[in-house]
Formats: sequence, structure tokens, C-alpha cells
Amino acid sequence: KQEVTQIPAALSVPEGENLVLNCSFTDSAIYNLQWFRQDPGKGLTSLLLIQSSQREQTSGRLNASLDKSSGRSTLYIAASQPGDSATYLCAVRADGSGGYQKVTFGTGTKLQVIP
Amino acid sequence: DAGVIQSPRHEVTEMGQEVTLRCKPISGHNSLFWYRQTMMRGLELLIYFNNNVPIDDSGMPEDRFSAKMPNASFSTLKIQPSEPRDSAVYFCASSSGTPYNSPLHFGNGTRLTVT
Repeated sequence: KQEVTQIPAALSVPEGENLVLNCSFTDSAIYNLQWFRQDPGKGLTSLLLIQSSQREQTSGRLNASLDKSSGRSTLYIAASQPGDSATYLCAVRADGSGGYQKVTFGTGTKLQVIP
Repeated sequence: DAGVIQSPRHEVTEMGQEVTLRCKPISGHNSLFWYRQTMMRGLELLIYFNNNVPIDDSGMPEDRFSAKMPNASFSTLKIQPSEPRDSAVYFCASSSGTPYNSPLHFGNGTRLTVT
């Protein structure tokens, strides 16, 4: 059974700092890994998707890396801003026990960027 | 692209009442997912449809929960009878393409409160 862990559960940093969020998963036979942000009372917004054959993806100040062999992904946020404050979730897509696809989410890291 | 549309945004009902949540996936997407989010358990997959057919309903907590997808542009999640422990935010998500390169797109959710 795939398990996805995100550490730390919460993180508080001063504005302007570069930071790394971590995601680990137990089964490396994945199709892709996706990073989301969730603002309070809102849905999940997709940030980046890394296919299993890729090592990293970049979008603006965000860079996500994937190391399938070690079951790890990181989300790097450069020059953090107060508007980056949100909960960040990672999710892995893989085959489930019945041969169908399953998307498993981590529990998220709650980020606060202090002005 | 209007995104995934869910209704209602908020639902408050009394224990024992029937609740119906609605979802319109993004046009052209062939996979639809219903998730439930609570503080205690995070995001849980309830059911997954592919081409309107339920593929994995192992996450549906009890027989009180049922989901349908009568066509490619509409799905419902019904709870009958509702209980206070069903209070949560219910999300619908859709995706298309191959499992490798198809990101999940989420709606804004329905916040259900059962008193």
C-alpha cells in the first residue's frame, strides 16, 4: 500500500528566504507526482506535475524534483513571499491493488511566510 | 475552461436527511474522483470513475454513500441518511490523458455540516 509522508507538518519562515518542502513515498512504481497548494477554505491548485521519467519541473519561483529510487520529492520555493503562505500537498499516482489507478495524498505542510 | 464546478458550496443539514453533492468535470476529461477532506484524516479518495464507469469505490465509507456518473459531464455523490460524522469538505477532481502526464484538477469543494 502506497504511503505518502510530508515533513514538517508546519513551517514558518521570514519573507525572502528560500525553502524546501519534502515529500516521501513508499512505492517507487509511480506514474507521476503532483504538488498542490491549498489556501484556507479553498480547493487544491495544481502547481507542478513530474512524470515518472522526469527528474524536475520548474514554474517561476518553484522547482520540484523527483528521485524515484529513493522515494522522495522536494518542492523548492525561491525568495518566499507572504502570498506563498498556504498548505502544500504532494500526491503520487500509481496502480492500485485492483489494477486501476490510485492517487495518494500526503497530509501536507502548512507554510507561513512572515513579512 | 471553467474548471471543475461543484455545487452547492456549502450545505447544512440535519442528521437523517438526504444530501446530494454535484460535480461538473472539465470538458473532455475522462476520469473523475470524489475526495473527502477532514482535519483528522486529510484527503481520502471515496470513488473514482473512468469513462463514466465506477472503477474503485473501496473508499466509500458505508452503504449510506452512493455516487453516480450518468454522463461525461455530470456526477453526484449522495449521502442517505446523513450523520454528523459525515461533516467534511467534499472535493471533486477530474483528469484526462495518460496516467503519466495528466494532472488532477480540483473543484472548490462542498463544505457539508450535518447537525
